[in-house]
Amino acid sequence: GAGVSQSPSNKVTEKGKDVELRCDPISGHTALYWYRQSLGQGLEFLIYFQGNSAPDKSGLPSDRFSAERTGGSVSTLTIQRTQQEDSAVYLCASSKLAGGEQFFGPGTRLTVL
Amino acid sequence: QQPVQSPQAVILREGEDAVINCSSSKALYSVHWYRQKHGEAPVFLMILLKGGEQKGHEKISASFNEKKQQSSLYLTASQLSYSGTYFCGTLGGTTDSWGKLQFGAGTQVVVTP
Repeated sequence: GAGVSQSPSNKVTEKGKDVELRCDPISGHTALYWYRQSLGQGLEFLIYFQGNSAPDKSGLPSDRFSAERTGGSVSTLTIQRTQQEDSAVYLCASSKLAGGEQFFGPGTRLTVL
Repeated sequence: QQPVQSPQAVILREGEDAVINCSSSKALYSVHWYRQKHGEAPVFLMILLKGGEQKGHEKISASFNEKKQQSSLYLTASQLSYSGTYFCGTLGGTTDSWGKLQFGAGTQVVVTP
C-alpha cells in the first residue's frame, strides 16, 4: 500500500520568501507529525495533529512557522519569510493511533539561499 | 525532556555485538526505536510498552527497565545492514500531548567488514 508522501522532495528558495511543504499521510492514520532534521542532527519535533483535537504546536521555533491539517488528512507546513537557518530536511510521519508506530515520509529538503 | 542516548557513536566489525542505551528523567509509558540509514527516512524497529516483554527484530532486541526509565537496544552478531543512526523515542508524562514522542539525539552505528 501507499506510504507517507511528501512534496516537493527538494525546495530551493531565496531568503525572505514563503514556502509550503505538503504531507499526505497513510489513509486512516489519525496522528500526523512534523519534524525537522538538520544535517547530521537528530529529529526536532515541530507540530503534532491528533484526530480532531487542537494541534500541539509547542515545537514550532517561531511564529513564521505554521501548519494545518485539512479534513483529517493532508497537512501543509508553511514557513514565512524564510531564513538561512531554516535550511533542513522536513520530515512528516503518521501513525494509526496516537503513540503507535510512526511511518515517515521521504522528507523535503529545504535550502534557503 | 529529550531522552539521553549513549554512546554517540560505535564502530563494529561484522559479527560483533553492541548495546545502545536510552535514559529518561521522567516516568515512561513506552519507548520506540527507529533506525535511519544515510539519506533515508527513519524506519520503525520496535515499541516497548510499560509492563511489556523484551522485543526483537531480526537479531536486534531491546529491553525496557521501567524503574530506571531506561531502554537498551542490543545489536547481536551485527551485519553490514545494521549500519545507520539509531534513535530512541520516549512517550510518557502528563505534561506532554499523548502520542508525542521525545527523540534522543541518536547513536551512529558503523559496521565494517
